[in-house]
Amino acid sequence: AQSVTQPDIHITVSEGASLELRCNYSYGATPYLFWYVQSPGQGLQLLLKYFSGDTLVQGIKGFEAEFKRSQSSFNLRKPSVHWSDAAEYFCAVGKNTGGFKTIFGAGTRLFVKA
Amino acid sequence: EAGVTQFPSHSVIEKGQTVTLRCDPISGHDNLYWYRRVMGKEIKFLLHFVKESKQDESGMPNNRFLAERTGGTYSTLKVQPAELEDSGVYFCASSQGRTSVGETQYFGPGTRLLVL
Repeated sequence: AQSVTQPDIHITVSEGASLELRCNYSYGATPYLFWYVQSPGQGLQLLLKYFSGDTLVQGIKGFEAEFKRSQSSFNLRKPSVHWSDAAEYFCAVGKNTGGFKTIFGAGTRLFVKA
Repeated sequence: EAGVTQFPSHSVIEKGQTVTLRCDPISGHDNLYWYRRVMGKEIKFLLHFVKESKQDESGMPNNRFLAERTGGTYSTLKVQPAELEDSGVYFCASSQGRTSVGETQYFGPGTRLLVL
């Protein structure tokens, strides 16, 4: 069965430091991969997605993610974190079921310290 | 353009009562999805509408949950009777439906349901 694992429940980084959020997936075919962010009181916002092609994907807000098939990973990175990046981040895989549904990881909450 | 909206934003009810959640998708979006996040767990798929038809309802937990999308516009999700384990955040999402694969889903802010 398809699944997504985010091994870090929460992470704290200093403002200006680099960030990497880990994500591993289990999927039989070529995966459709996503990263979403949820800020307090807001809905889920799509940061970036990977369907095919270049394995390094650029997203909004300066985020990027790299698809590594050999490691079944899709880690999210940002070179310099801003205080406004404090939020909860969800990695997800899309599954075709005649429709298209999204399978989410448990989320990683990011804290940013001054 | 308005995004996906959900009503109410919060609901506190007692066990055994009925609650109805509403989702208004982005105008023109054929696909509408419901998801739920129970406290501390991952966000889980509940069901998927294409226009007014249920495409996939494999994630609905039991027959206390009833979803409708009359006319293919807004959708409601009714929980009757509510149980303690139904507490969580209910998200709605929509997508255009012009392609079948990998479309961007736009999520609403969620309805936070607490069953006491």
